[in-house]
Amino acid sequence: DARVTQTPRHKVTEMGQEVTMRCQPILGHNTVFWYRQTMMQGLELLAYFRNRAPLDDSGMPKDRFSAEMPDATLATLKIQPSEPRDSAVYFCASGPGPYQPQHFGDGTRLSIL
Amino acid sequence: DQQVKQNSPSLSVQEGRISILNCDYTNSMFDYFLWYKKYPAEGPTFLISISSIKDKNEDGRFTVFLNKSAKHLSLHIVPSQPGDSAVYFCAASARQGAQKLVFGQGTRLTINP
Repeated sequence: DARVTQTPRHKVTEMGQEVTMRCQPILGHNTVFWYRQTMMQGLELLAYFRNRAPLDDSGMPKDRFSAEMPDATLATLKIQPSEPRDSAVYFCASGPGPYQPQHFGDGTRLSIL
Repeated sequence: DQQVKQNSPSLSVQEGRISILNCDYTNSMFDYFLWYKKYPAEGPTFLISISSIKDKNEDGRFTVFLNKSAKHLSLHIVPSQPGDSAVYFCAASARQGAQKLVFGQGTRLTINP
């Protein structure tokens, strides 16, 4: 079965450091999503792309978060500088189109000390 | 403003019986609804979906019912099995939202032997 691949699976770093999370979407899927899961907010959408173009990043704190798709096989989510409140599990998902389910990776568990 | 609500944080069901998970939504523009299952340390896994032109969709032991007038959907699992123990998320998207998923807070289902 095709899967969304996320790296790293776990990341622990100190406040102020740059964090980069990577995602390889399922081949052929034209939309890519970044979600964050916290105890308080549940699963919330941060940003998404269609055909590599950013469509909506209104869920992201703009001053420190950035999301890109350098090519069709790689999506990145960067945090600079990181803060303890960014500690969460970050999920990437990809989808083939409207009215089709998104498929999720296993997430990056991020801890900012 | 929580547009998708799962009011039961947890549910316990005996093996072999029916599990019924509920979800309410407020946005009348939602036209595609999904259920995901999530195990610890894994990403959400797609279970079943339904579009607003239907009121029922069935896939093996899983059936989703949609009541548009009540803005309510439910997931029935029959018969429940121990492997069904997981957190279940309801999600919805609107055509104008271009596949952006809005998630409920999740219901933890425990199947007792």
